[in-house]
Order: sequence, then C-alpha cells, then structure tokens
Amino acid sequence: EVQLLESGGGLVQPGGSLRLSCAASGFTFSHYAMSWVRQAPGKGLEWISGFSAGGGGAFYADSVKGRFTISRDNSNNTLYLQMNSLRAEDTAVYYCAKGAGHWLVFDSWGHGTLVTVSS
Amino acid sequence: DIQMTQSPSSLSASVGDGVTITCRASQSISKSLVWYQQKPGEAPNLLIYAASSLQSGAPSRFSGSGSGTDFTLTISRLQPEDFATYYCQQTYSPPPTFGQGTKLEIK
Repeated sequence: EVQLLESGGGLVQPGGSLRLSCAASGFTFSHYAMSWVRQAPGKGLEWISGFSAGGGGAFYADSVKGRFTISRDNSNNTLYLQMNSLRAEDTAVYYCAKGAGHWLVFDSWGHGTLVTVSS
Repeated sequence: DIQMTQSPSSLSASVGDGVTITCRASQSISKSLVWYQQKPGEAPNLLIYAASSLQSGAPSRFSGSGSGTDFTLTISRLQPEDFATYYCQQTYSPPPTFGQGTKLEIK
C-alpha cells in the first residue's frame, strides 16, 4: 500500500524558512515522479513544484520560483521542500503527491502538513 | 499557463440523483484531464484520468467525457459519500492547473 507522510509544517514568521519532508513507502520511490501541491484555507488546489519521471528535472510554479527548492533522497525514500522567504500567502496545507504513469497525474496523496506564516 | 474553469461552483442534489460538472480549458488539452474528489479534512482522491478512464477503486457511477477544451464529470445515482468537492486538473503541460472546485451538497 502506498503511504506518503508529510512533516515539518508549523508556524513561521514572514521572511522565515521551513523544510517539509515527505516519507514514502509501499512503492519504488526512485521510479516515480513526485510533486508538492498546496491548499490555502478554504481555497482550491495549487501545484507548486515537482520532479518529472525518470530522473527528470525540477519544475516550479511562478508563485514560488526562486524561493522554494524541491529535492529528493532516493536512498531514504524521502521528498523535501525547502521554503525560504515565506510570505503570508504561503499559508496552506502542503501535500506531497505521487505521479502516476503520467507525471502530472497524482494517484496518491499524503495527509498534508499545515504551514502558517504569521507574525 | 492553461486556465481551468469549472461550473457550477456549487451544486445541491439528493441521494439517488444524477449530476454533471463541467470543466473548460483556456486552450485545447486533448484528453489530458483528470478529476479528483476531496472530502473535508482529507487529501484529494483521483477518480478519472485521461478525461474518461476510471481510476482503479473508483465507483463505476463516476464517468468522465470530453476532449479539446470541454469536459464533464457525471455522477449517477448519488450516494451519501459522494457529497464532496470535485476538482478538474489539466495534465497537458506544466504547470498543472486546477479548476476552482465544485462543492456538491445534499439538498
């Protein structure tokens, strides 16, 4: 069974940094594309970053480009999101999501971790 | 970026009814569209991929259709567990973009 477990969320001041982790199990992590998707309170879904399949490069939404960095440790089956220069509008639940046959189809999601940016 | 527009934003229906949600893309995306269901406090769950293919484990009362710019999600014979928010998402080109969601409520 695929399991994705996010951690690292919390309260951070504007301008601060946070690193999210997503521990994966139940599948061969290195073989699959992975993404981060966020959801602001009461709002819709926004894809923010992901790796394409087969060792492809990283992609970012314009809203986080230059501030967030996605990385992965295939030996430890973990996806990361380093978030710098955080803003109030980054407040959201952050989900990690596993790519399916197509890297932009998300067939498994974690439960999410809440990031609150506030002074 | 490709813009996705869903309608309606909310919908009321009764158990046993059939409903249809539409999704329109700002440019042609072939059949590169998926549908998710999200219940309060939970992560989204993939229902339909490639516009009309049912994801493994999704009930057969869910169906999708469309290509190009116009797509529909149809739920036949609504069950109590179907009352949730539904999102379309294009997979044609990065960044993947979502519709704003359709909240399906019990009448």
